[in-house]
Amino acid sequence: GESVGLHLPTLSVQEGDNSIINCAYSNSASDYFIWYKQESGKGPQFIIDIRSNMDKRQGQRVTVLLNKTVKHLSLQIAATQPGDSAVYFCAVGSEKLVFGKGTKLTVNP
Amino acid sequence: DGGITQSPKYLFRKEGQNVTLSCEQNLNHDAMYWYRQDPGQGLRLIYYSQIVNDFQKGDIAEGYSVSREKKESFPLTVTSAQKNPTAFYLCASSIGQGGPWEETQYFGPGTRLLVL
Repeated sequence: GESVGLHLPTLSVQEGDNSIINCAYSNSASDYFIWYKQESGKGPQFIIDIRSNMDKRQGQRVTVLLNKTVKHLSLQIAATQPGDSAVYFCAVGSEKLVFGKGTKLTVNP
Repeated sequence: DGGITQSPKYLFRKEGQNVTLSCEQNLNHDAMYWYRQDPGQGLRLIYYSQIVNDFQKGDIAEGYSVSREKKESFPLTVTSAQKNPTAFYLCASSIGQGGPWEETQYFGPGTRLLVL
């Protein structure tokens, strides 16, 4: 079955820097990928998604990159702000939706 | 939280007691889901429903039950058979026009269940 892993459980950046959060997945047949943001004690908030027929998708200050060759997914946050501090996790969909454990992003002023 | 409400925010369960978590959505979504979140783990699927009066077990359905009598509502009951119920419970919904794993799921604010 599908498994989803992260490279770093925590990430600390300076305000204004760019942040990159990564996910790796195992099933090459996976075709739908989502990034969520979760603040402490709250429900996950949808950030951006991408399907397997795309390599890149951009939103407001966020970019998702999909590398199907190495089964790697990343979320880039431009000009990171203190309000971006949260846990970010990916979800990978194929025959089921599998969630990563999350990377805790801390933005230092 | 996008039109999905969960209540209560905190819930305390005594030994041998069944408790019910409420989930309501006004997004006109067909599909609804229940997940459990434990520290250091990814979300795990308990039950999901793609249409009224129908639901399927997820990966960890034992000790839980659901009903889907209305499109807007998908309550979860944590029964006394669930021996380790302490967790953060999240309800989600999606449009339901495609497969449940091919469309965005939107989450409610969650209910934290604690055992007395």
